[in-house]
Amino acid sequence: AQTVTQSQPEMSVQEAETVTLSCTYDTSESDYYLFWYKQPPSRQMILVIRQEAYKQQNATENRFSVNFQKAAKSFSLKISDSQLGDAAMYFCAYRRKSNFGNEKLTFGTGTRLTIIP
Amino acid sequence: DAGITQSPRYKITETGRQVTLMCHQTWSHSYMFWYRQDLGHGLRLIYYSAAADITDKGEVPDGYVVSRSKTENFPLTLESATRSQTSVYFCASKDGLRLAGGPYNEQFFGPGTRLTVL
Repeated sequence: AQTVTQSQPEMSVQEAETVTLSCTYDTSESDYYLFWYKQPPSRQMILVIRQEAYKQQNATENRFSVNFQKAAKSFSLKISDSQLGDAAMYFCAYRRKSNFGNEKLTFGTGTRLTIIP
Repeated sequence: DAGITQSPRYKITETGRQVTLMCHQTWSHSYMFWYRQDLGHGLRLIYYSAAADITDKGEVPDGYVVSRSKTENFPLTLESATRSQTSVYFCASKDGLRLAGGPYNEQFFGPGTRLTVL
């Protein structure tokens, strides 16, 4: 079974600084997808960024980027120029590649990010 | 309103009562999912559905029942609520037709329902 581990329950960063959230996972699959979801106080789950395992290039979405190390099964999220609106719970998630579209997301336990003004 | 909605947003009930959480999506997505979110566990899949009248168990299905008579609705029922079912419940939907299984075929989440069982 696949597992996703987030070892940092809480992190904090000064506004405008850079922070990195860690995630490791375990799978026997060779092709899969990894995601970072953001959950602000409103509870809405928002997809931040996604990475395809067969792509070596790290995904980037504006101030958000990932460091994907497939051999190490590591998938960290870097937030540059942190803003107050980035304060949220961040979840790392894994999904197998499937032709049927019904594969579940496996989530980590989350990292609560606080932005210090 | 377009999108995925859940009702109620908050619910307090008592042990032993039946509770139904509603989920409605307007995209005609074929796949729908129910997750529960608990501190220390992240989100865990309860049930999912590939289409109307097709449902399957997820990771933590015990104590829950689902049905899907219409594509747009996916209600979750707790037949006899227990305190351990106090949680935040999320519904999600996914397009099963466009690039099925591909990375841009993502799950869209509803706003969640906070359920408290006393």
